[in-house]
Amino acid sequence: KAGVTQTPRYLIKTRGQQVTLSCSPISGHRSVSWYQQTPGQGLQFLFEYFSETQRNKGNFPGRFSGRQFSNSRSEMNVSTLELGDSALYLCASSLGARGPGQPQHFGDGTRLSIL
Amino acid sequence: ELKVEQNPLFLSMQEGKNYTIYCNYSTTSDRLYWYRQDPGKSLESLFVLLSNGAVKQEGRLMASLDTKARLSTLHITAAVHDLSATYFCAVDMNNTDKLIFGTGTRLQVFP
Repeated sequence: KAGVTQTPRYLIKTRGQQVTLSCSPISGHRSVSWYQQTPGQGLQFLFEYFSETQRNKGNFPGRFSGRQFSNSRSEMNVSTLELGDSALYLCASSLGARGPGQPQHFGDGTRLSIL
Repeated sequence: ELKVEQNPLFLSMQEGKNYTIYCNYSTTSDRLYWYRQDPGKSLESLFVLLSNGAVKQEGRLMASLDTKARLSTLHITAAVHDLSATYFCAVDMNNTDKLIFGTGTRLQVFP
């Protein structure tokens, strides 16, 4: 069974640009969550999508947005990039049924560097 | 606002020794997860703890949950070098799939 796939693995952008990251969840998983990991702030929740709807949102500015498609694949977009957006962006998928706790399964992440 | 604290932040231990990592959280939750992260790698799920008194064991690692004390522990028995990694606990806010992560504990096991 294939795991969570994130593309691209590495990205280098400059300030002011925008970027789109992609995440393909494990087959059958309908929930996709996004996290930002930095040395200073640790792992922070960005948002979660389930059945093409944003179900949860973290405390990030509106420059960070996402969407989910009917096949559960998700994209995250960051506009007007700032130096502080340099981070590892992790995508996680789960069944999303909110029954007995299922762990979220994480992809390898996209490392975004802003110059 | 839910806060999750881990201690210690860094742990350097000798092979064969035992130690415990602590995870405290600030509001009621009965879903707690432990993850492992190797350098440059993603997070690997270790344990899912769903109720007060839950105990899970895998190899040299054992995790427990005390929801009344809002405390989870990850106990390492007879550490080996392969356990060197960063360990995170994460709390699910109100069964929402929104995980709040602890600061992580960087474990280094030396001979």
